[in-house]
Amino acid sequence: EAQVTQNPRYLITVTGKKLTVTCSQNMNHEYMSWYRQDPGLGLRQIYYSMNVEVTDKGDVPEGYKVSRKEKRNFPLILESPSPNQTSLYFCASSFQYTGELFFGEGSRLTVL
Amino acid sequence: SQQGEEDPQALSIQEGENATMNCSYKTSINNLQWYRQNSGRGLVHLILIRSNEREKHSGRLRVTLDTSKKSSSLLITASRAADTASYFCATVLFPSGNTGKLIFGQGTTLQVKP
Repeated sequence: EAQVTQNPRYLITVTGKKLTVTCSQNMNHEYMSWYRQDPGLGLRQIYYSMNVEVTDKGDVPEGYKVSRKEKRNFPLILESPSPNQTSLYFCASSFQYTGELFFGEGSRLTVL
Repeated sequence: SQQGEEDPQALSIQEGENATMNCSYKTSINNLQWYRQNSGRGLVHLILIRSNEREKHSGRLRVTLDTSKKSSSLLITASRAADTASYFCATVLFPSGNTGKLIFGQGTTLQVKP
């Protein structure tokens, strides 16, 4: 089954404790992207990757890191999480950035 | 304000009625896409319309695009309770080079009452 898988789906953590949200797709997509969704603000792009080893900042990259060492995986790293990073995070992928995006089910992160 | 802005923010209708939601954007686009999100779940792609297209249909969905007004509308005909969800427009900017940016609006929340 074609899918984008995120883990963990739910996480409560404390300020400053590094965490990684994994994202994996099995559709051989070139393009992958991370979004955060906050009430009243819609979806905002954090980082995206056009291909392996190619990543770039979206609109809200501060406090996040990403890597794209393999085509299928695109982890989101929070080196020192802060409460303002409490949000619902979505990973998405596509054959190319102009095409249909396939979304994961989301990761709800709470930073205390 | 954001690139994509939906209107209205919320819409409540009876089953069987049509629902129309609008999206406005600011800059030239490559294409515009509509997505649906059920309560906190991942977004699902509904339809993509290219900048050189004016109208597109998919089942009960009809999307129009007016590049001169920088706006798009999504019409859901004969709505069902299962259509209750949030709907987002997303734009791919043009010229975009290799920017890879897909910008989402804030969404319209649709409630369809049985």
